[in-house]
Amino acid sequence: SQQGEEDPQALSIQEGENATMNCSYKTSINNLQWYRQNSGRGLVHLILIRSNEREKHSGRLRVTLDTSKKSSSLLITASRAADTASYFCATSRNTGGFKTIFGAGTRLFVKA
Amino acid sequence: DTEVTQTPKHLVMGMTNKKSLKCEQHMGHRAMYWYKQKAKKPPELMFVYSYEKLSINESVPSRFSPECPNSSLLNLHLHALQPEDSALYLCASSQANLVATGELFFGEGSRLTVL
Repeated sequence: SQQGEEDPQALSIQEGENATMNCSYKTSINNLQWYRQNSGRGLVHLILIRSNEREKHSGRLRVTLDTSKKSSSLLITASRAADTASYFCATSRNTGGFKTIFGAGTRLFVKA
Repeated sequence: DTEVTQTPKHLVMGMTNKKSLKCEQHMGHRAMYWYKQKAKKPPELMFVYSYEKLSINESVPSRFSPECPNSSLLNLHLHALQPEDSALYLCASSQANLVATGELFFGEGSRLTVL
């Protein structure tokens, strides 16, 4: 079962521009995470924001969380061609092992 | 390089075959996961093991049978699969204690083709 929706589904930008991806979810959460996936590869964890946090930064990444609207955004600043990948938000609930459900994902293409 | 190792990387099998996918991690994680991912879709949770016990089964058909023989290993046994089961199967692990954050560490996946 898919937890949330992401928009846009696809995003094409020039190198150096900022990329913003949005995620909405449906149920209560412990935290929200963002993952990156290069084509046909495994997913890599990027950043996690807890349900009691509103904003978090990591390098060129900025994540916001609005639990009242059940939404999050991921901003990648000064994008590079190497940022080309699919980006997924994921929500987690600790149920003895984490039930982590992924959103539909945004496919980002950064043109050099 | 990922610290979760999945084998084989590619598997082709007929509908009557029995095969297994294997996953290994040495990070001391006590939660391990199987996800299924179709092309251009998000990963879909199949199973969660916590402290070597099955804690979540997302209504997966019985032709998929998970096994967690010890804290480092996770298997997915496959039998009588259908062509629509062709997908990338991803293994992941995480800490499992109550204060853990649930960050998942993924393997590179096993790409399964069912003929």
